[in-house]
Amino acid sequence: QQPVQSPQAVILREGEDAVINCSSSKALYSVHWYRQKHGEAPVFLMILLKGGEQKGHEKISASFNEKKQQSSLYLTASQLSYSGTYFCGTEPYSGAGSYQLTFGKGTKLSVIP
Amino acid sequence: DSGVTQTPKHLITATGQRVTLRCSPRSGDLSVYWYQQSLDQGLQFLIHYYNGEERAKGNILERFSAQQFPDLHSELNLSSLELGDSALYFCASSASGSTEAFFGQGTRLTVV
Repeated sequence: QQPVQSPQAVILREGEDAVINCSSSKALYSVHWYRQKHGEAPVFLMILLKGGEQKGHEKISASFNEKKQQSSLYLTASQLSYSGTYFCGTEPYSGAGSYQLTFGKGTKLSVIP
Repeated sequence: DSGVTQTPKHLITATGQRVTLRCSPRSGDLSVYWYQQSLDQGLQFLIHYYNGEERAKGNILERFSAQQFPDLHSELNLSSLELGDSALYFCASSASGSTEAFFGQGTRLTVV
């Protein structure tokens, strides 16, 4: 079943923060986050494997609440380059290690000057 | 540039036809994944191959098939094409033991 992402779209001014959420009804083994700019291929941001794990990459970080089957992506001090559509891809326990991801519909993030 | 090469970039074909999409993974990557992206369905996992063997199958139609060859390149075959098959088809690859997948630029298929 497809994970639910929220919000569907968000507009930020440079320097503002944003949170993108991803919820699943299935027990999850991992959550993968990707960013896709218009007309380009998705680019891997990070993967979270265990409950409560939090990872970061510069000003983008994420958390994974295994009990709630939820992951959140945090973007701090947003830059124009952060604009794009963010997808979460979830891997259920039943398919652990197969990398058979089910993606959410995406969150369109627009950063304006 | 992700290092994953997909050909062709664009393909226009008629309903009922058959096409083959090709993917060359990053050097050394053993895993190849195929995804379909359309406006209404979003990004959908089709199939995963590892070193020539099928590892996982997603929402792949019976009219579609894939294979990975000994040189690790992969092909996605789409037959009896329908208008609804029009989409962007991505190939991605990852190294053995790695969960980070690198996507190619995609093949845009238009069925008319």
